[in-house]
Amino acid sequence: AQSVTQLGSHVSVSEGALVLLRCNYSSSVPPYLFWYVQYPNQGLQLLLKYTTGATLVKGINGFEAEFKKSETSFHLTKPSAHMSDAAEYFCAVSDILTGGGNKLTFGTGTQLKVEL
Amino acid sequence: DAMVIQNPRYQVTQFGKPVTLSCSQTLNHNVMYWYQQKSSQAPKLLFHYYDKDFNNEADTPDNFQSRRPNTSFCFLDIRSPGLGDAAMYLCATSRPGVDEQFFGPGTRLTVL
Repeated sequence: AQSVTQLGSHVSVSEGALVLLRCNYSSSVPPYLFWYVQYPNQGLQLLLKYTTGATLVKGINGFEAEFKKSETSFHLTKPSAHMSDAAEYFCAVSDILTGGGNKLTFGTGTQLKVEL
Repeated sequence: DAMVIQNPRYQVTQFGKPVTLSCSQTLNHNVMYWYQQKSSQAPKLLFHYYDKDFNNEADTPDNFQSRRPNTSFCFLDIRSPGLGDAAMYLCATSRPGVDEQFFGPGTRLTVL
């Protein structure tokens, strides 16, 4: 079964500093990887996804992630944190379901705090 | 704007009293999902529909049922809610295959 591990349940950065949220995956086949963001009492919003092709993926709100097969990683970065980035971030890997659609298996999440 | 809508946003029920949560979508996606997210945890897939075909996850309790009367609507029925069922319930949709899932805002269920 595929899985993802997010290192660091809480990350705190200063406004304007680099954001780095770590995600490592385990998969026996080429993985499809996603980063979602969740604001308090809200659903999940897709930040970016990797399926095939370019390993550096750019997403919304200035975020990007790089798929590194040799390191089995898909870390999320943003050069300069903004107060509005404070939220919970989930890394996920996707499995095709026999019944159609796909199953997202999420990591345990990383709560990002941005300080002045 | 195309979207996924969940009603109500907050639901309070009593222990053992059946409750139904609603999800609708304007994206015309074939696949609809229900996730359970307990406090400070990751979302966990309960089941999904591909059109009218229902697919249950192996570890989803029998207490949870679902209905999809048409493409746009999907319901989650909890027959006898227990205290452990208090959670955020998220509905999502996608096209078939590996594709982005679009999430609704969720319904937070409280069981008294």
